[in-house]
Amino acid sequence: ETGVTQSPTHLIKTRGQQVTLRCSSQSGHNTVSWYQQALGQGPQFIFQYYREEENGRGNFPPRFSGLQFPNYSSELNVNALELDDSALYLCASSSLEIGGPSAYEQYFGPGTRLTVT
Amino acid sequence: AQSVTQPDIHITVSEGASLELRCNYSYGATPYLFWYVQSPGQGLQLLLKYFSGDTLVQGIKGFEAEFKRSQSSFNLRKPSVHWSDAAEYFCAINQAGTALIFGKGTTLSVSS
Repeated sequence: ETGVTQSPTHLIKTRGQQVTLRCSSQSGHNTVSWYQQALGQGPQFIFQYYREEENGRGNFPPRFSGLQFPNYSSELNVNALELDDSALYLCASSSLEIGGPSAYEQYFGPGTRLTVT
Repeated sequence: AQSVTQPDIHITVSEGASLELRCNYSYGATPYLFWYVQSPGQGLQLLLKYFSGDTLVQGIKGFEAEFKRSQSSFNLRKPSVHWSDAAEYFCAINQAGTALIFGKGTTLSVSS
């Protein structure tokens, strides 16, 4: 069974630039959620994708956008980067279709560390 | 609004001693409850979960947690801590199958 993978591992960008982060879900999972974890904080929910559609969104501005592809992999795009966007970005996969509470278990990738200068 | 509180920011425990990490939640009903562990620079690993039924749940790495509805708590315990348990621990609740809501975490240090 393949776990959740994310790329790249680290990224350095300049304020105002755009960035794309990628995530491949665990085999058998069709749902991807993205989280932002600032230093010393717990992860904050950005959004979730299910069947290639956004299925819930946290309190993040529209410059945070995403995509999910037919193979269930996903991208997180952030436009007009700000210094406060520096964080660890975590992707988590799950499967809303398996039914029951197990559908709510989310399994995380290693994250992408984004530094905005 | 739903929230998770982990009152202890940092805990130091001697190797071999017992451990309890506290977690309290605020939610209209009984949520699904989770504990995750994060090693430095790594992603989160699921330790255990509570959905319903027996209020004492067992997880990986010898951890267990007890759900107490009357206290809105879901505390994590381990009878004997190993040096490799040093990490950041997060309690989380899941609302409606989408967002996990996390506490701010507790850093566990293990002294020899």
